[in-house]
Amino acid sequence: GDSVTQMEGPVTLSEEAFLTINCTYTATGYPSLFWYVQYPGEGLQLLLKATKADDKGSNKGFEATYRKETTSFHLEKGSVQVSDSAVYFCALGQSGGYQKVTFGTGTKLQVIP
Amino acid sequence: DVKVTQSSRYLVKRTGEKVFLECVQDMDHENMFWYRQDPGLGLRLIYFSYDVKMKEKGDIPEGYSVSREKKERFSLILESASTNQTSMYLCASSLTGGRLYEQYFGPGTRLTVT
Repeated sequence: GDSVTQMEGPVTLSEEAFLTINCTYTATGYPSLFWYVQYPGEGLQLLLKATKADDKGSNKGFEATYRKETTSFHLEKGSVQVSDSAVYFCALGQSGGYQKVTFGTGTKLQVIP
Repeated sequence: DVKVTQSSRYLVKRTGEKVFLECVQDMDHENMFWYRQDPGLGLRLIYFSYDVKMKEKGDIPEGYSVSREKKERFSLILESASTNQTSMYLCASSLTGGRLYEQYFGPGTRLTVT
């Protein structure tokens, strides 16, 4: 079945550091890929998405490129802020059917001033 | 904006009690989902529903049941709560259609079973 593997956390960075959170997936066909973010005390919200190979999703300074050849969707940000501290989930979904999404285990990011 | 609300943010129940978790969405979404979130395990799908009165088992349905009598409301029921059901429970909803739509999440219910 479909699966998502993302790097273990927590990740601790200083403000303005470069961020990479690795994500790889296993899936049949051509899934859509997502990054969701969960801020403390809140539910998940969609951060960015890509629906086909070589697409780049971007939002709030975060980017991720759908790499089919390496089955990866790594999240990057050039300069993190304290307000980016959250848990980040990589996820994949298959169109059609019942809209099920498979989530990774989450990576906690802590940004210190 | 889509809003997904859950009946409680925090809940404490005793072993053996019947527990109801309620979720309501206000955007006429067809699909609704219940997940549990545990450290190191991420989100695991318990049940989902793609229409009123319709339901499908997710990856970990044992010990749970669901009810969807109205389109906007999806309830998760723990028939006889056990300590291993202590967890964060997240509800989500999404549109249906030919392409994959994003899921909108509620704030979660942190359930403790003692």
